[in-house]
Amino acid sequence: GESVGLHLPTLSVQEGDNSIINCAYSNSASDYFIWYKQESGKGPQFIIDIRSNMDKRQGQRVTVLLNKTVKHLSLQIAATQPGDSAVYFCASDSGSNYKLTFGKGTLLTVNP
Amino acid sequence: KAGVTQTPRYLIKTRGQQVTLSCSPISGHRSVSWYQQTPGQGLQFLFEYFSETQRNKGNFPGRFSGRQFSNSRSEMNVSTLELGDSALYLCASSSGGDMGGYTFGSGTRLTVV
Repeated sequence: GESVGLHLPTLSVQEGDNSIINCAYSNSASDYFIWYKQESGKGPQFIIDIRSNMDKRQGQRVTVLLNKTVKHLSLQIAATQPGDSAVYFCASDSGSNYKLTFGKGTLLTVNP
Repeated sequence: KAGVTQTPRYLIKTRGQQVTLSCSPISGHRSVSWYQQTPGQGLQFLFEYFSETQRNKGNFPGRFSGRQFSNSRSEMNVSTLELGDSALYLCASSSGGDMGGYTFGSGTRLTVV
């Protein structure tokens, strides 16, 4: 079945460092991927997305890389700030199912 | 513009009771999805509605149901509550196209005692 998993449950970095959060997915039919950030007491907040016809997409301080060959995507956060501390989820959508399949989440802690 | 609004924010219910949660999507969005979030299982898809029609349903028992109204507002209902139903219930709205544009609300925290 379809599943989206994360390699590391926790990640601790120093302020100013770059952070990399990884995610693996199993469904080859997945054609849309999203990264969400969830802070305590809030719902998931959209960070960046990428479609399967792309390998890389950049936003403000964030980059998502997609490797369809090994079914892997990553989120890179440049110059990580304390405000980036949160749980990060990857999610996939195969379009025709009208649903997102989420990974378990990675807790990012940024140390000042 | 206003985001996705979920009410109530917090609920405490007793086992065996039933509960109804409400979600108002972003204006113009016709798709509403519901997710259950627990520490053990993470975020799991419950169901999705578009123009009052359920287009997909997750692997949850029949005690979990939902509906969508003509103004796109949605409700989900859980009957005969169990302790394991304690969770954060999240609603997401989108335009309803084949991919993307999901915006989440802040959720309803349900505690079953």
